Amino acid sequence: SQQGEEDPQALSIQEGENATMNCSYKTSINNLQWYRQNSGRGLVHLILIRSNEREKHSGRLRVTLDTSKKSSSLLITASRAADTASYFCATALPSGNTPLVFGKGTRLSVIA
Amino acid sequence: DAGVIQSPRHEVTEMGQEVTLRCKPISGHNSLFWYRQTMMRGLELLIYFNNNVPIDDSGMPEDRFSAKMPNASFSTLKIQPSEPRDSAVYFCAIPKQQGSWGYTFGSGTRLTVV
Repeated sequence: SQQGEEDPQALSIQEGENATMNCSYKTSINNLQWYRQNSGRGLVHLILIRSNEREKHSGRLRVTLDTSKKSSSLLITASRAADTASYFCATALPSGNTPLVFGKGTRLSVIA
Repeated sequence: DAGVIQSPRHEVTEMGQEVTLRCKPISGHNSLFWYRQTMMRGLELLIYFNNNVPIDDSGMPEDRFSAKMPNASFSTLKIQPSEPRDSAVYFCAIPKQQGSWGYTFGSGTRLTVV
């Protein structure tokens, strides 16, 4: 079963607007990661936030983590048409040697 | 980051046929993961290897599926016999680098069983 669940399932915004995607998970984690998948391609790692971190930035990406609520959010600021893709959260369990568990993703459409 | 080459990119086969999917990390890695992606179920882990040894194959749907990793630079996923419900995109992934928590994915194999 999925550990992470993204919300919303689909999001459509105008270029220049901010896009916010949320992820909820069920168990304790070591870290949470966000990936992007363009149509017909593999997933690309975007950013990792550790369980003892609350916020992390990378370029136009901002990730927050609330371990008490078991939730994370991915904010893409000043979106571009090229940001159109599916975005997935993935959780890594504390044990360390277990594979990532992915959510079903949010489909983001950025309209020029 | 190390890349991952998967082949073929697309495979269309008839029900009952054997299908072999291939994964080749450009730099050898001790860990390798096979995932399957469908609209209904999202991205599911099928099996993963550490030090070329299968660690957990509980995600493999049934005995029709088998996987091998004979060395750090090559892995195969075989379906025999294939069924229409096996139609999906199959991804291979490796750690971005030794000790990294993040993964590098291949471009996937889109399998259609008719």
